[in-house]
Amino acid sequence: DAKTTQPPSMDCAEGRAANLPCNHSTISGNEYVYWYRQIHSQGPQYIIHGLKNNETNEMASLIITEDRKSSTLILPHATLRDTAVYYCIVRAYSGAGSYQLTFGKGTKLSVIP
Amino acid sequence: NAGVMQNPRHLVRRRGQEARLRCSPMKGHSHVYWYRQLPEEGLKFMVYLQKENIIDESGMPKERFSAEFPKEGPSILRIQQVVRGDSAAYFCASSPLLAGGNSYQETQYFGPGTRLLVL
Repeated sequence: DAKTTQPPSMDCAEGRAANLPCNHSTISGNEYVYWYRQIHSQGPQYIIHGLKNNETNEMASLIITEDRKSSTLILPHATLRDTAVYYCIVRAYSGAGSYQLTFGKGTKLSVIP
Repeated sequence: NAGVMQNPRHLVRRRGQEARLRCSPMKGHSHVYWYRQLPEEGLKFMVYLQKENIIDESGMPKERFSAEFPKEGPSILRIQQVVRGDSAAYFCASSPLLAGGNSYQETQYFGPGTRLLVL
């Protein structure tokens, strides 16, 4: 089961920053937080990941609280093409040899003109 | 550097037929994961393979489903005697083996998926 909690949907005005929250209160010390998005029915697209420090790349920024129990994905200037379902995933060892991704329901972000 | 390739992109089968889905990982990637997405649901892990080895098949249905990743060629997900409930999007993802083998840090990159429709 997914170990994260996300709001089911959010709206964001085009050109504004989109801040997507995620709670992961049971995260362990060596588990990474990953963010992916899925645009319509395409394959999931990797966005960013982090352990405990804030991270930034060309797509987004990831802010992780000091206690690591929650994080926020920030899209600095949302465009219509950012409309997608965003998944926050805590990547954990499966116990059977892999570090699979467990997808929850995610947050459906709608960017509004 | 080409991304993860999957083919066919769409596959239609009648009940009882076999479905073969192929996945070519990104260049330099030696790990492949298969996921299934049923309509209106999230992705569910099926199987994790390295070259010539199945590492974790804990998400695979016990019957009719099999996967392989041969030394040469793409990874294959095979579904025998398909039923309507197998209709779904099947995604594969590949990742590299990082120095030191810390799989926590191996980012998975997804292909465009194969949409299977069973009539």
